[in-house]
Amino acid sequence: GIQVEQSPPDLILQEGANSTLRCNFSDSVNNLQWFHQNPWGQLINLFYIPSGTKQNGRLSATTVATERYSLLYISSSQTTDSGVYFCASWTSYDKVIFGPGTSLSVIP
Amino acid sequence: NAGVTQTPKFQVLKTGQSMTLQCAQDMNHNSMYWYRQDPGMGLRLIYYSASEGTTDKGEVPNGYNVSRLNKREFSLRLESAAPSQTSVYFCASSADRAPYEQYFGPGTRLTVT
Repeated sequence: GIQVEQSPPDLILQEGANSTLRCNFSDSVNNLQWFHQNPWGQLINLFYIPSGTKQNGRLSATTVATERYSLLYISSSQTTDSGVYFCASWTSYDKVIFGPGTSLSVIP
Repeated sequence: NAGVTQTPKFQVLKTGQSMTLQCAQDMNHNSMYWYRQDPGMGLRLIYYSASEGTTDKGEVPNGYNVSRLNKREFSLRLESAAPSQTSVYFCASSADRAPYEQYFGPGTRLTVT
């Protein structure tokens, strides 16, 4: 089945810094989504991005499907960005695979 | 528009007890999912339902049953709870046409002692 890797596993940033999170997947996928799990456990949709680039405020994402990776950019980080960032990829309903996550701590 | 709702938020069970986790969505989505999340890990798919009246196994279905009661509701049942089922359970839904993004409920934190 599809394998999903995320890097780095942990990241500590000073408030205001920028960061890039990476998601690699082992096979071709039709769907890719980024989530933020906040410290209270809530899963928040960030981007549904099977290919191309999207931006939403300080966050943007790029997926290069042919090279099997996706990047999440966080600019001017804030303490509220802390939490775990997951990517999930799938080709069909029964093959939804979540990566292990990147744990981000933004310190003031 | 509440999105995806789940009940209960918290539950403690003793080994061998049964319970049903409830999930409902008001986005008119055909597809619904149940996941579990263990500490320090990503989510793993338990069961999914591509449409009303159909259900299929995901990655970790053992010990669980599901019912797609109607288009809105998808329940997860533990017939005989085991400590290994201690986890946080998330329900999700998605449309069956692009974009296929998944929307998640707030989760149910289940402890089996």
